[in-house]
Amino acid sequence: GQNIDQPTEMTATEGAIVQINCTYQTSGFNGLFWYQQHAGEAPTFLSYNVLDGLEEKGRFSSFLSRSKGYSYLLLKELQMKDSASYLCAPLDSNYQLIWGAGTKLIIKP
Amino acid sequence: GAVVSQHPSWVICKSGTSVKIECRSLDFQATTMFWYRQFPKQSLMLMATSNEGSKATYEQGVEKDKFLINHASLTLSTLTVTSAHPEDSSFYICSVSTGLAEVDEQFFGPGTRLTVL
Repeated sequence: GQNIDQPTEMTATEGAIVQINCTYQTSGFNGLFWYQQHAGEAPTFLSYNVLDGLEEKGRFSSFLSRSKGYSYLLLKELQMKDSASYLCAPLDSNYQLIWGAGTKLIIKP
Repeated sequence: GAVVSQHPSWVICKSGTSVKIECRSLDFQATTMFWYRQFPKQSLMLMATSNEGSKATYEQGVEKDKFLINHASLTLSTLTVTSAHPEDSSFYICSVSTGLAEVDEQFFGPGTRLTVL
């Protein structure tokens, strides 16, 4: 079956760094997306990785290891507005997004 | 990125009535549109994929006669929840992609919160 595993909730301090891990099992693999979803809102795109390694984009970076079925999202210089759920979503062999329940990130002052 | 709108943002209806939700791609032609449902604290669940001018492809377990999808143009798709019941209360989100590449970022609408009394 297809499965996404992310921590349910994480807490971090404003200005700090946090890493949100994601392990996945899918039928085939065509890359992995990270989305941010604020409470009561729709998801917004953060990153897409298809090759192994780290992709940096401003305060956010995303890492992928295809052999390990593992990805992480790294958030630096945390701001209060980063409080949201972060969704890891790999693409399976049919190019369909497989969604996990996401990680709720709580930022404290 | 693409700008996607949904209407209405919130809807409250009585059990047994039908509700239509519109999804519009405002600044590009969306060949493919997706409809999702999300219950509180749960993951997005894909309901169906629709391509302009053809019938929607429904995911397993989604009743096509209950959730009617129409994708009549490249900028508009509608989801009609027929004979809505309280268990249909959820957050309905549409997304669009150009469909030009196998891997396309999906652009999401703001969502519609449906409450069925």
